Amino acid sequence: AQKITQTQPGMFVQEKEAVTLDCTYDTSDPSYGLFWYKQPSSGEMIFLIYQGSYDQQNATEGRYSLNFQKARKSANLVISASQLGDSAMYFCANSPGRGSTLGRLYFGRGTQLTVWP
Amino acid sequence: DTEVTQTPKHLVMGMTNKKSLKCEQHMGHRAMYWYKQKAKKPPELMFVYSYEKLSINESVPSRFSPECPNSSLLNLHLHALQPEDSALYLCASSRGTGNQPQHFGDGTRLSIL
Repeated sequence: AQKITQTQPGMFVQEKEAVTLDCTYDTSDPSYGLFWYKQPSSGEMIFLIYQGSYDQQNATEGRYSLNFQKARKSANLVISASQLGDSAMYFCANSPGRGSTLGRLYFGRGTQLTVWP
Repeated sequence: DTEVTQTPKHLVMGMTNKKSLKCEQHMGHRAMYWYKQKAKKPPELMFVYSYEKLSINESVPSRFSPECPNSSLLNLHLHALQPEDSALYLCASSRGTGNQPQHFGDGTRLSIL
């Protein structure tokens, strides 16, 4: 079974600063994917970044980077130069690469990020 | 703008009504999903369609009935819902069901009176 842990219910960061959102996962599958999603209060779930378990380099997408530490089973999201529009709920998720659970996304409980001016 | 379109955005219905939620994508994705999300909780998977065939049903009550008429469309038919079914219903799609990012629509906010 997959398990995703986000230990920070809420985080606060000042505009233009960087912030790290924590995520750890527990899986016995050798092949899996890790994802981060952003959900503003309006409700849409926005895909931010993906890391495959076999990827050697950390994924980056603009101001988002994923700090992937496979041995520690952690996949922290780093947002650089925070903007007011980054205020939202952030979900870490894991998907198995094969087997009967193929197609399932396992979500953490989320971290509510607030960016202040 | 999201590439997965859900209609309606809001729906209020009585417990005896029959309604449908619709989802459409034109990204050529072959996997489509329905999720239910309660306030301040992560989404919960309901159904997965892969190549227009139902591949996962997470023991969802029969008052929810999914349908995939073609590779671009996904419907969720609702009948005799309960107040606890009030939630945000999210549709998503992905290229396949492996390690592929799922792209979500804006959701339908459903309220059951």
